Amino acid sequence: EIVLTQSPATLSLSPGERATLSCRASQSVSNYVAWYQQKPGQAPRLLIYDASNRATGIPARFSGSGSGTDFTLSISSLEPEDFAVYYCQQRDNWPITFGQGTRLEIE
Amino acid sequence: EVQLVESGGGLVQPGGSLRLSCAASGFIFSSYSMNWVRQAPGKGLEWVSSISSSSNTINYADSVKGRFTVSRDNAKNSLFLQMNSLRDEDTAVYYCAKIDRHYFDCWGQGTLVTVSS
Repeated sequence: EIVLTQSPATLSLSPGERATLSCRASQSVSNYVAWYQQKPGQAPRLLIYDASNRATGIPARFSGSGSGTDFTLSISSLEPEDFAVYYCQQRDNWPITFGQGTRLEIE
Repeated sequence: EVQLVESGGGLVQPGGSLRLSCAASGFIFSSYSMNWVRQAPGKGLEWVSSISSSSNTINYADSVKGRFTVSRDNAKNSLFLQMNSLRDEDTAVYYCAKIDRHYFDCWGQGTLVTVSS
């Protein structure tokens, strides 16, 4: 099973700042990584797929990069609605696995 | 508009059974693989099961293999999860999720399953 390790566990920033979230895989997953955003009491929402492609309707301030074992989700200028928990997910190998999440909180 | 609505959650004793349903609308259900993903209270996401569009290919997480059975009825645009021999650690919100390009592009609102005596 491929283990995804996200860092940091919690990230404290202010609106307008840039956020950088990391996801590291225990073995290469090519570019088969997605990122999801989850707000309290809501289902996750797909943000990025295949490491760097924005899903439909996702603002351009969200971007993804990486390949192999190291991936990054960047949010260029934080809006108040961006404070949430973010998960990475790989689909290169069964079983599908998720990272443990990064909580992005307001400083 | 794509919509997924889960139902069937509730309180069940350890060792008991429950059947979850997911009603789909707004897309051609029979063309897409569907999945169940769960989230224990205060925890992260865990993939549970996947079923291909024609039910030919089915996969389970090791944690539920042999206890859970996924199925679908394309004529009724519905997805199901039969859960047997439930354990305390199965307590979670269960989401059904549509797969597109191998990623979960649409999720239901979830249904809570609580396993407790």
